Amino acid sequence: QITLKESGPTLVKPTQTLTLTCTFSGFSLSTSGVGVGWIRQPPGKALEWLALIYWDDDKRYSPSLKSRLTITKDTSKNQVVLTMTNMDPVDTATYYCAHRGRGPRITMIFDIWGQGTMVTVSS
Amino acid sequence: DIQMTQSPSSLSASVGDRVTITCQASQDISNYLNWYQQKPGKAPKLLIYDASNLETGVPSRFSGSGSGTDFTFTISSLQPEDIATYYCQQYDNPTQLTFGGGTKVEIK
Repeated sequence: QITLKESGPTLVKPTQTLTLTCTFSGFSLSTSGVGVGWIRQPPGKALEWLALIYWDDDKRYSPSLKSRLTITKDTSKNQVVLTMTNMDPVDTATYYCAHRGRGPRITMIFDIWGQGTMVTVSS
Repeated sequence: DIQMTQSPSSLSASVGDRVTITCQASQDISNYLNWYQQKPGKAPKLLIYDASNLETGVPSRFSGSGSGTDFTFTISSLQPEDIATYYCQQYDNPTQLTFGGGTKVEIK
């Protein structure tokens, strides 16, 4: 059974750097074809994809946020970490991590999601 | 960027009704289109992948169709537990993965 859980601060100040951790079980990020992505959702708004890391350390970022994002993995700990610099109140959102585990590299199907973690940006 | 225009933004229907949601891409995305269901306070759940494939365990009253730029998601007989917001998501360009604006489905 695949599970993912996000963790990190619930409150960050403007200009600070946000670090979120996705801890997962039921799969390995060293297995060919596997990926973990991050998606966020501001309160009452739509979903927005942020980043994804593949089993071979290939990384993809949303073009609009690329300069602020870094995604890394620790295969031994079954964790994926997302950092976002220069946080702003508009970054207030629920942040989700999700499993990508099927098809060729182009296939971005998120079949299992974490419960999400709410992050508020405020001074 | 590929824009996904989802409509309607909300709808109200009776139990047993057929419900249809559309998603239009700003350019050809082949069949690289998924549909998710999000219940209030919960994470999204994958229902349909690659435009028309039903995810394992998802009730058969859910279906999807389309290719190119025009896609349709259908609930053949609306049930009370289907109250949720539904999102389409395209992945034609893996660095420009985008979601639609969502459709909130309510019971009349």
